[in-house]
Amino acid sequence: NAGVTQTPKFQVLKTGQSMTLQCAQDMNHNSMYWYRQDPGMGLRLIYYSASEGTTDKGEVPNGYNVSRLNKREFSLRLESAAPSQTSVYFCASREDGSSAEAFFGQGTRLTVV
Amino acid sequence: EDQVTQSPEALRLQEGESSSLNCSYTVSGLRGLFWYRQDPGKGPEFLFTLYSAGEEKEKERLKATLTKKESFLHITAPKPEDSATYLCAVQAWQAGTALIFGKGTTLSVSS
Repeated sequence: NAGVTQTPKFQVLKTGQSMTLQCAQDMNHNSMYWYRQDPGMGLRLIYYSASEGTTDKGEVPNGYNVSRLNKREFSLRLESAAPSQTSVYFCASREDGSSAEAFFGQGTRLTVV
Repeated sequence: EDQVTQSPEALRLQEGESSSLNCSYTVSGLRGLFWYRQDPGKGPEFLFTLYSAGEEKEKERLKATLTKKESFLHITAPKPEDSATYLCAVQAWQAGTALIFGKGTTLSVSS
């Protein structure tokens, strides 16, 4: 049982380049999330998807787009990377419509130079 | 605006020295409060969920409690392997399913 799987684990981009962070979960959860974690800032919500076909903005959505490809997969795209997007990105999933805990992936460490 | 504040930012303890971490929250309606543990280079790992004031939950050396304004994570006789960052998060009814996190408390336990 893999849980939440993120790829890649590490990535270095040049300013202006684009990339997509991939996330897949095998727990049949409806809700999926993307967070970023920066030193001294905690986990901040970028986007979330309450169900397949729906997405909503979180606290810090600027510069990002998301796609809920199907129930298992939720991707995060940086169209034109900026140094301010250097961060560790976490994907999470949880059961729909409840106060159940969220399960997190291992993170993607992204550096934009 | 829903907010979560954790204190202290960092805590250093000797092995066996008990202490508590604080999580103060402001939400219009609390659906659940969550504690997570995060080790360096890893994703957060779930510890507890608390739903209503007065509720307590325990797991090994950890005990979480909840009041109407804050939650405490009590660590009894900590060991070096308890060293980690502890994160608190809340889910408010109005925010739907999203969790709002505090900045965390980094705990270091030395032998």
